[in-house]
Amino acid sequence: DIQMTQSPPSLSASVGDRVTITCRASQSISSYLSWYQQKPGKAPKVLIYAASNLQGGVPSRFSGSGSGTDFTLTISSLQPEDFATYYCQQSYSTPTFGGGTKVEIK
Amino acid sequence: EVQLVESGGGLVQPGGSLRLSCAASGFTFSSYAMSWVRQAPGKGLEWVSTISDSGGSTYYADSVKGRFTISRDNSKNMLYLQMNSLRAEDTAVYYCAKRIAMAGMLYFDYWGQGTLVTVSS
Repeated sequence: DIQMTQSPPSLSASVGDRVTITCRASQSISSYLSWYQQKPGKAPKVLIYAASNLQGGVPSRFSGSGSGTDFTLTISSLQPEDFATYYCQQSYSTPTFGGGTKVEIK
Repeated sequence: EVQLVESGGGLVQPGGSLRLSCAASGFTFSSYAMSWVRQAPGKGLEWVSTISDSGGSTYYADSVKGRFTISRDNSKNMLYLQMNSLRAEDTAVYYCAKRIAMAGMLYFDYWGQGTLVTVSS
């Protein structure tokens, strides 16, 4: 299985901050990467697919980049509703998720 | 509006069985592959199983292969997960998820609210 490693596992940030989360695959996955947001007690919600494509209805402050093994999710200006846990997921082979990054209020 | 509603979770003893169901609405169910993804308490997401749109192909995580069976009834817009020989490590919230192919990429665009399965004596 392809292993997905996210960093950092958690971070503290303030409203308005620029936040960057990274995801590294154990082998090349081209652009077969998605990002999800999950709030406590809720189901995950897709933000980005194909590494950099914004899912419909997702605010433009979210963006994704990368290909091969290294990927990034960026929130350009953190909003109160963005405090959540974020997961990357590869679909190059049998789906696997990263361990998650919890974004907390500073 | 796409809706996925899981049911069937509960408390079961180790070695027992449980059948989860997922009722789908708001889209052409028979046109999409469907999956189950689980999340152990306080842990991350783990893909469990996927079934093709027709039901003719099924895929499983190694952790559940031989114990879980995914199936679907396209006439009823229903997805199922039969779970046998349950273990404590199967304790999790189980999500039903719709899989989509966009720009040649596969991802889960809609998720249900989840159903909790607890395996304990």
